[in-house]
Amino acid sequence: EVQLVQSGAEVKKPGESLKISCKGSGYSFTSYWIGWVRQMPGKGLEWMGIIYPGDSDTRYSPSFQGQVTISADKSISTAYLQWTSLKASDTAMYYCARPRHTGYDSFDYWGQGTLVTVSS
Amino acid sequence: DIQMTQSPSSLSASVGDRVTITCRASQGISNYLAWYQQKPGKVPKLLIYAASTLQSGVPSRFSGSGSGTDFTLTISSLQPEDVATYYCQKYNSAPITFGQGTRLEIK
Repeated sequence: EVQLVQSGAEVKKPGESLKISCKGSGYSFTSYWIGWVRQMPGKGLEWMGIIYPGDSDTRYSPSFQGQVTISADKSISTAYLQWTSLKASDTAMYYCARPRHTGYDSFDYWGQGTLVTVSS
Repeated sequence: DIQMTQSPSSLSASVGDRVTITCRASQGISNYLAWYQQKPGKVPKLLIYAASTLQSGVPSRFSGSGSGTDFTLTISSLQPEDVATYYCQKYNSAPITFGQGTRLEIK
């Protein structure tokens, strides 16, 4: 059974750093892209970027380029989303998701979401 | 970058009604279009991919159509459990983009 399990909710202060995770299981982790999606409170879905764990090829949305870093450790089947200096506007639910097939595709598997709250 | 525009942004309909949501791409994307349903407090769920292919387990009252720049999600007979926000997504190339969403309510 394919599963994406994300790390738990985080409460941080502005300026702090953060790295959240998404662990894949039940499939060949290195053969599928993993994407990250942001959902701010009461708002829609925003595609942040995507990584291919097999070779760490990473693509970012222009809106998020330079704001976050996406990485993966294929030895432990885990993808990461990282901030070096959080802002209050980073408060959101963050989802990881896997496409249906290798290559770009619709997302049929999603993590449960990680709620990040940034507040002083 | 290709922009995805959904209409309407919100919709209220009665149980049993036929409901149509539209998604327009700013450039042609062939059939690389998916539809998702997100119920309040839940993870998005894939309904349709390749513009018109129903994901396994999705009720047959949901259907999708279109190609190129104009796409449609149709619910043939609205049910109470269909209350949700619906998103289109293009995935032919990066950046992968979602529409802004359509909130569907029961009248």
